Amino acid sequence: EDKVVQSPLSLVVHEGDTVTLNCSYEVTNFRSLLWYKQEKKAPTFLFMLTSSGIEKKSGRLSSILDKKELFSILNITATQTGDSAIYLCAVGNNNDMRFGAGTRLTVKP
Amino acid sequence: DTAVSQTPKYLVTQMGNDKSIKCEQNLGHDTMYWYKQDSKKFLKIMFSYNNKELIINETVPNRFSPKSPDKAHLNLHINSLELGDSAVYFCASSHFRVGRFFGPGTRLTVL
Repeated sequence: EDKVVQSPLSLVVHEGDTVTLNCSYEVTNFRSLLWYKQEKKAPTFLFMLTSSGIEKKSGRLSSILDKKELFSILNITATQTGDSAIYLCAVGNNNDMRFGAGTRLTVKP
Repeated sequence: DTAVSQTPKYLVTQMGNDKSIKCEQNLGHDTMYWYKQDSKKFLKIMFSYNNKELIINETVPNRFSPKSPDKAHLNLHINSLELGDSAVYFCASSHFRVGRFFGPGTRLTVL
């Protein structure tokens, strides 16, 4: 059965800390892995990863995919209180996209 | 603005009622979806639909039905609402099933 597992489920850090969020998956006919940030409303797109070893970067956020070991990490450096959110990992094949349970990140001042 | 939009944003109704949630995308995407997010923030696929194919998650009760008048719309109809239907429902769209662009969500509360 296809599955997407995120860890940790919950994380509390202080501003300025660096965090690493994990997403491991087992999906038949893998096509892409996506990271989303969800605050109070709809998930907003962060990254889409399709190839192993190529880091995607956007400001303080970066992500990389390992298709051999079937996982991805999302890094956030110099965290800010505005980074507090649920971070969702989703893995897609040709039919659908399966979401992980999310990591709830809380950044304290 | 190019986006996925949903109406209403909030819906409060009594058990047993029938309600609809509308979704529209102007992104030119070929596939639309409905997701249910429960209290633990877990997103579950309910339906995906393009011009050719409707894929239904078999765990979704048949009280839920999608209706697509055209490529840009996928509405969600719910009959005989139950307490357990209370959740946030997200519409989304994609092109060739790659990625998901989400609507703002509809918070449904069944009393």
